[in-house]
This record gives sequence, C-alpha cells and structure tokens, in this order.
Amino acid sequence: QSALTQPASVSGSPGQSITISCTGTSSDVGNYNFVSWYQQHPGKVPKFIIYEDTKRPSGVSNRFSGSKSGNTASLTISGLQAEDEADYYCCSYAGSVTPYVFGTGTKVTVL
Amino acid sequence: QVQLQESGPGLVQPSGTLSLTCALSGGSISSDSWWSWVRQPPGKGLEWIGEIYPSGTTHYSPSFRSRVTMSIDKSKHQFSLKMTSVTAADTAIFYCARNPCSGGSCFSAFESWGQGILVTVSS
Repeated sequence: QSALTQPASVSGSPGQSITISCTGTSSDVGNYNFVSWYQQHPGKVPKFIIYEDTKRPSGVSNRFSGSKSGNTASLTISGLQAEDEADYYCCSYAGSVTPYVFGTGTKVTVL
Repeated sequence: QVQLQESGPGLVQPSGTLSLTCALSGGSISSDSWWSWVRQPPGKGLEWIGEIYPSGTTHYSPSFRSRVTMSIDKSKHQFSLKMTSVTAADTAIFYCARNPCSGGSCFSAFESWGQGILVTVSS
C-alpha cells in the first residue's frame, strides 16, 4: 500500500485560489467516497478540514472545498490568506483490511 | 468534546519495544468509534499505523503489521500501542486519533487528535 501522491509544494498570493491534488488508485481514492484532508501548521497537531471527499466539519472556513474525479482528489483553498500557510495532507479509506493511507503532504506558501 | 492524551517514554533503546498509551477524557472509550495511532517522523509526513475498536478488533498497516500490537482498556478509558524491534527510523511524534461512527457508518476520518508525543530511539 503506497502513500497517495501530492505535490511537494504549492504557492499563491493572498486572495488567489490554489488547488492541491491527491492521486491514489482504484483501490483507495477511486473506490470509496472517504477522502479526508488535514491542515498542519508547524509544530502543531493536524486539523481535520474535509471528510467524505467534499464535506466540511462545522467551524471550518468555507474557503476550503474538496472534490474528486476518478483516482484523484483535490483540495481548493479560495481567497488565500496568510494563515493558510501550512502543510496539507490527504488521507483515503482503502478497505477493511488496511483502512487508511495518507498522502505525501503539500506545503502551501502564501507569497 | 473528546480529548486525547498520549503518554509513555520519550526515549527507547534500539531493538527495544516502544509502548504508548492514549487516555480519553470527555467521552467514552466504549463509544462507537475506531481509535487510531498515527506517527510523523521529524520533518516528514503522516503515517497511519493501525486502529482498534472497543470490541478489540484491530487493523494494522502492512508497514507495521509484523511488529505492532494495539490493545484497549475500557475500565481505564485508554488504548495502547506496542511496537517491537524499534530502530532510529522509528523516531517520530506519535499521535492517537478518533474516527467516530454513528448508526453503522463511520466518518472514516480522524476527527480528534491528541497533542502528540515525541519518541526518540537512541542508545
């Protein structure tokens, strides 16, 4: 079971929108509607921001949105703000025997 | 609001066994949830290690299956991780996390996390 593939880094200017991709396989991302996304600021605990591909937990800004097409899930951050500078990880359910696999992580830089 | 807190030795000898506990407060360990361990080597990404249900059912990542055991103690509202034959490559922050379920379906996501505990493998 290999880690899901994410770009190492993505950057954007304040106010812009950026999209982070998360590519898996037909055994994980493409087979279940259970991709989640986590935001992690340096030295901090990961924070849960998207679940079931597209749903936002209460309290998470609507500037964060999730989508999926085939074996690739995506996280879009619109109206980029300085506070969005962090590492982002996707995670997919991959079946009952070995349920979870994380992505490689993406560092978002606000220019 | 469920809170999780990891505890255990911060230093483990190479070839030894890493033992960690995650204590729950503000909720019941017997609730309909899966309880996971996730680790993060310094400067690297997140790795899912395994999960346990209140019934004792476990699932482990293939990467750790041969040397990891998870257990749950409902009377103490905690669950535990043991990892054997550790090497320096196992140095990491270890997090415990909760995947809540309801009505037969689970979030399949890690809704709550502990603060993490740094475990260093070194002599």
